[in-house]
Amino acid sequence: AQRVTQPEKLLSVFKGAPVELKCNYSYSGSPELFWYVQYSRQRLQLLLRHISRESIKGFTADLNKGETSFHLKKPFAQEEDSAMYYCALTGGGSNYKLTFGKGTLLTVNP
Amino acid sequence: EAGVAQSPRYKIIEKRQSVAFWCNPISGHATLYWYQQILGQGPKLLIQFQNNGVVDDSQLPKDRFSAERLKGVDSTLKIQPAKLEDSAVYLCASTGMSQPQHFGDGTRLSIL
Repeated sequence: AQRVTQPEKLLSVFKGAPVELKCNYSYSGSPELFWYVQYSRQRLQLLLRHISRESIKGFTADLNKGETSFHLKKPFAQEEDSAMYYCALTGGGSNYKLTFGKGTLLTVNP
Repeated sequence: EAGVAQSPRYKIIEKRQSVAFWCNPISGHATLYWYQQILGQGPKLLIQFQNNGVVDDSQLPKDRFSAERLKGVDSTLKIQPAKLEDSAVYLCASTGMSQPQHFGDGTRLSIL
């Protein structure tokens, strides 16, 4: 069974501080990992996926297969980063269904 | 490109009533998903369609939930009869070949 764990429901940092949102997963094969973000009053949208290995809005995430983790990091948080962040995985193939974590609400204080 | 469209945005019904949600995916996206998101939790897949065929409905409560995608484009999700625990946001998503999923705004359902 596939499972995604986001241990922090809430995370509060000050503007300019580093931020790390934790994500651990359980999957027997080789999963594809994603971070989705939902800003206030907006729809859920893709932030980044591990296979693209790109940085979006200053965020990066590295897949650590040994620790089964996919933590999201940003060196200097901005107030506009305040949002709900969801880690998700899929096993890929023809059945591309996503399994989501419960989400972490990030608040960046001025 | 136009995004995934869902309607209605909000719906309030009494328990034991029926309700239906509609989704229009991004043009050309063959795969369509319905998710249920209960307050404080991440979205949970209810059903996945590939064109007009069901790929995965293992988590759909089939005694009360049904979904269809007759022409392989639009989809409807129905609940009959509704229970209090069905209060949630119902999200529709679509994807093309090996692409990440694009989500609609969702329908917020409240059961009284």
